[in-house]
Amino acid sequence: GQNIDQPTEMTATEGAIVQINCTYQTSGFNGLFWYQQHAGEAPTFLSYNVLDGLEEKGRFSSFLSRSKGYSYLLLKELQMKDSASYLCAARTDSWGKLQFGAGTQVVVTP
Amino acid sequence: DAGITQSPRHKVTETGTPVTLRCHQTENHRYMYWYRQDPGHGLRLIHYSYGVKDTDKGEVSDGYSVSRSKTEDFLLTLESATSSQTSVYFCAISESSDRETQYFGPGTRLLVL
Repeated sequence: GQNIDQPTEMTATEGAIVQINCTYQTSGFNGLFWYQQHAGEAPTFLSYNVLDGLEEKGRFSSFLSRSKGYSYLLLKELQMKDSASYLCAARTDSWGKLQFGAGTQVVVTP
Repeated sequence: DAGITQSPRHKVTETGTPVTLRCHQTENHRYMYWYRQDPGHGLRLIHYSYGVKDTDKGEVSDGYSVSRSKTEDFLLTLESATSSQTSVYFCAISESSDRETQYFGPGTRLLVL
């Protein structure tokens, strides 16, 4: 079966760093996405990894290990506006189907 | 932002009635997807399309049908709505299936009473 696991909730202080882990077991794999979703809004694209290693985009970085079925999203210099749900999704075939985790709610406190 | 709109944005309907949700894009992307989002389940794929008149089932397709008669429009129909179909429905588009990102529309909140 297909399984994407990520923690339900994480709390961190403004200015700190938070790492959201995601493990996946899928029948096929063609890349790992991270999306950000604020309450009541659509998911917005943050990052995409298809090869092993770290991708950095400003305050956000994402890492992938295909052999371990593992990814993480690193949020640095946290801001209040980073309070949101972060969705991990594995692309499982050549048709672009995405298998999503249930999301990690990040709460940033002053 | 990708040019994706969904209509209606909110709908309340009764069990047993048919409901059609529309996704419209102005990007001329080939691939379009319908997802539903429920607490504790994340986003789950209902149906997807890889071209005009070309569609296929996703993970949770029972009770749903789709049609795509034009590149820009992808319709999701609940033939006879049930309370279990109360959800938030998102449409997504992608230029290609294996290299490009999926971009999401604003969503439709559907309540089936």
